[in-house]
Amino acid sequence: RKEVEQDPGPFNVPEGATVAFNCTYSNSASQSFFWYRQDCRKEPKLLMSVYSSGNEDGRFTAQLNRASQYISLLIRDSKLSDSATYLCVVNYGNFNKFYFGSGTKLNVKP
Amino acid sequence: GAVVSQHPSWVICKSGTSVKIECRSLDFQATTMFWYRQFPKQSLMLMATSNEGSKATYEQGVEKDKFLINHASLTLSTLTVTSAHPEDSSFYICSAPERVGEKLFFGSGTQLSVL
Repeated sequence: RKEVEQDPGPFNVPEGATVAFNCTYSNSASQSFFWYRQDCRKEPKLLMSVYSSGNEDGRFTAQLNRASQYISLLIRDSKLSDSATYLCVVNYGNFNKFYFGSGTKLNVKP
Repeated sequence: GAVVSQHPSWVICKSGTSVKIECRSLDFQATTMFWYRQFPKQSLMLMATSNEGSKATYEQGVEKDKFLINHASLTLSTLTVTSAHPEDSSFYICSAPERVGEKLFFGSGTQLSVL
């Protein structure tokens, strides 16, 4: 079983749509959670960290459910520039191990 | 924010040659750096964890004699692909957390093409 699992998509949505991605992780000892965005042939860039209480940054909202071991990312009012692959990343803290999901591809169409 | 510099960005080499990729943390000390490989349309795959002053830890299936990692200082880790073959052609990328358990900062990646 993979440490981190994501729906690979692609999610094809029109501009202005709201889209949500989920990610599940297998190790209950996981301590830190992140969403990264990766454009083709580029390095991943941090989109946002995910906190237990949930957090929002503009059009992006991230949530963590420790009981069910999943994290989510909600994008509101999608823009063409949001088209990318979104990576879920989980860290096991003391072991300093980061595990990546396979990524969810988002295509925002005009 | 923290910056990780990786170079070269692009390498084309002949089969059988060795290629060295450098990864530097520019404004923080990285006791640990991670090396990943990414094939087209696939996810990042962790190859090894580079530890300053000690041997790297390799993931299962990654040949340590082929992918030599050196982390001689707190700001520099290198990955050398020895005797490169066309199947080693890939996007190689390094990353480091500024502090243990915190978010990763990535280098810009190296696209390796072996002819």
